[in-house]
Amino acid sequence: ETGVTQTPRHLVMGMTNKKSLKCEQHLGHNAMYWYKQSAKKPLELMFVYSLEERVENNSVPSRFSPECPNSSHLFLHLHTLQPEDSALYLCASSPSLAGKETQYFGPGTRLLVL
Amino acid sequence: EDQVTQSPEALRLQEGESSSLNCSYTVSGLRGLFWYRQDPGKGPEFLFTLYSAGEEKEKERLKATLTKKESFLHITAPKPEDSATYLCAVVSMNTGNQFYFGTGTSLTVIP
Repeated sequence: ETGVTQTPRHLVMGMTNKKSLKCEQHLGHNAMYWYKQSAKKPLELMFVYSLEERVENNSVPSRFSPECPNSSHLFLHLHTLQPEDSALYLCASSPSLAGKETQYFGPGTRLLVL
Repeated sequence: EDQVTQSPEALRLQEGESSSLNCSYTVSGLRGLFWYRQDPGKGPEFLFTLYSAGEEKEKERLKATLTKKESFLHITAPKPEDSATYLCAVVSMNTGNQFYFGTGTSLTVIP
C-alpha cells in the first residue's frame, strides 16, 4: 500500500449505530487530519494530530471521537450521528504542521446516515 | 477573517479551448497557496504550491500563477481527462498550519 488509505470506502449507518473510520498513512508523516466534505461547501477541518497528540478540534460535536494510536494510524469513532452528518470524510497527512508543505489525502469514506 | 473564493463555480470547455480558473484570497500574510485536483469519489490530489507573488508553477497543460490577492490556474488546450473539480487552499501566517479551502471549480471538458 502506498500513500494514504481509508476504510471503509462507503458506509451506511442508522442514527443509533456505532461505527469507526480508519485511516493509515504510509508516507512517514508526523501530522494527520480529519476533514468533512459536503456538497457545495469548503472542506471543513475537524481534527489535527501531531505525533499522536491532538492539537486541534474545530468545535466538532462529541458524537465524533478521534483516536490516534501511533503516527501512522488515525481513527474516527462515530456514534448517534444525525442525517446532516452524511458527507465524504477525508483523512490527510503531512510531514509536519509547518503549513508550508502540502497535505496528502486519502480516497475518503462516503458516509450516509439514515 | 481569512477567506478563499473560487470562480467560476462550474466551467464547460470544448477540447482544446484554453481558459483560467480563479482563486482569490484575503489572508493576513500568506504562508502558502495550494492547488488540488479532485475526481468524483476520490480525495484531492496535490498539484502545486505557490509561496510568493510572482511565482509560477507548470505541469503538462496546467500553469499556476500567484499575485498578492489571487491565483490563477491556466489550462492550455484541455483534454477530456482534465475534467475534475479543482480546489484551492491557503495557509496564513496568523493561523499557522490550518488550510482554508475554497468551494472549488467543477471543470468539464467536452470532446
